[in-house]
Formats: sequence, C-alpha cells, structure tokens
Amino acid sequence: DVKVTQSSRYLVKRTGEKVFLECVQDMDHENMFWYRQDPGLGLRLIYFSYDVKMKEKGDIPEGYSVSREKKERFSLILESASTNQTSMYLCATTYDGRYGYTFGSGTRLTVV
Amino acid sequence: GDSVTQMEGPVTLSEEAFLTINCTYTATGYPSLFWYVQYPGEGLQLLLKATKADDKGSNKGFEATYRKETTSFHLEKGSVQVSDSAVYFCALPYNQGGKLIFGQGTELSVKP
Repeated sequence: DVKVTQSSRYLVKRTGEKVFLECVQDMDHENMFWYRQDPGLGLRLIYFSYDVKMKEKGDIPEGYSVSREKKERFSLILESASTNQTSMYLCATTYDGRYGYTFGSGTRLTVV
Repeated sequence: GDSVTQMEGPVTLSEEAFLTINCTYTATGYPSLFWYVQYPGEGLQLLLKATKADDKGSNKGFEATYRKETTSFHLEKGSVQVSDSAVYFCALPYNQGGKLIFGQGTELSVKP
C-alpha cells in the first residue's frame, strides 16, 4: 500500500511566520496535491504537481507556495502565516487517478 | 464543469439501521467514482471505487453502484455500526489523475 506521511499532525504558529508543511510518499507517484479542509467549505485544492519541479495552482493558491525538488516530497509553504490560514491541510498522491488517491493523515495548523 | 453533489447531513441513525447517502455527479465522459471516509481527526481513506458504468464497488459492508443513466453513485450499508460514525465524501477525478472533485461531505453519526 502507498504510504503518505505528513510531518506534523498538529502545528501552532504565530502570525507572520514562514511555515513549511511536508508531505512524503513512498511509491514514486508523479502526481501530488495539497488541499485544505474547513467546516462548511469542504476540501479545496491549493496546489498540485505532476512531476519534479513542476507546480500548478489550484483553486485557492493565494498566500501559499510549493516546492517539489524530489519526486517523493511535496512541500507546502505559507510565506507569512495569517489567522485565516488556520485549517486542516491534507496531502494526496496518485499514480493513475482512475484507481484512487491516497491521503496523508493531515496537519491541523493553528495560526495565532 | 465537473461537479459532485451529496445529500446534506448530518445523518443520525441507530445501530443496525440501513444507510443511504445520495451522490450525483456531472462530468464529461465516464470518470471513475469514489467514496472516501474521514474518521474524526484523521485524513481521508478510500472506502470504495468504481471505474466504469455499472460497476459495483464494495468494502466493509458498504456498496455503491455506478449508474450512468441517473449519474449517481449512492452509498449504502445494510446495518451500520457505531464505528461507522465519520464523514463520507463522494468524489471523482478531473481529467484522470488531475485534482479530485469532492462533494460537500455527509456526516454520519450512529447511536448505540
């Protein structure tokens, strides 16, 4: 089974800090995704990547950037954290979208 | 564009009751369809999938049939347990391997 590891389950950061959320997958998949999940708003795509050093904006990229230097690692960066970025962040990967996507356990980020 | 619509929750059932969560979709072509489950504080897990029309996905007593004539993929379980309490998401992949498009999620609570 594919394993997707998100480095932190819970994170508390201060407003204005630069925040790195890490996601690592162990199956050499090319496609990786970052979502945020908020009550009443569901799951929204922030960024995704189809290959190393490639990135594409999702539906809500403002205030975020990403890095994909190695195929197995996809990092989400909050350049200057704000309280409205308090959320659950979920990383996902797929080899072939027809057969399913694997999600990490999520990082619950609180910005104070 | 492609979209997924789920019945709204929350849904509260007694143990051993029958469960149906409705899901309808709009899509170009015939994409795969998924049901994901999210237990409290966790990431999303693939519950079941169907990759083509008339396929039936099943897992852990849950079933869903891909019906292209009604563009539906309703989730059913004959006898729910307290341990089934979770949020359930219907989803489809955009453009095979692109982002996952989710329904709003349906929260299920099963009482003893």
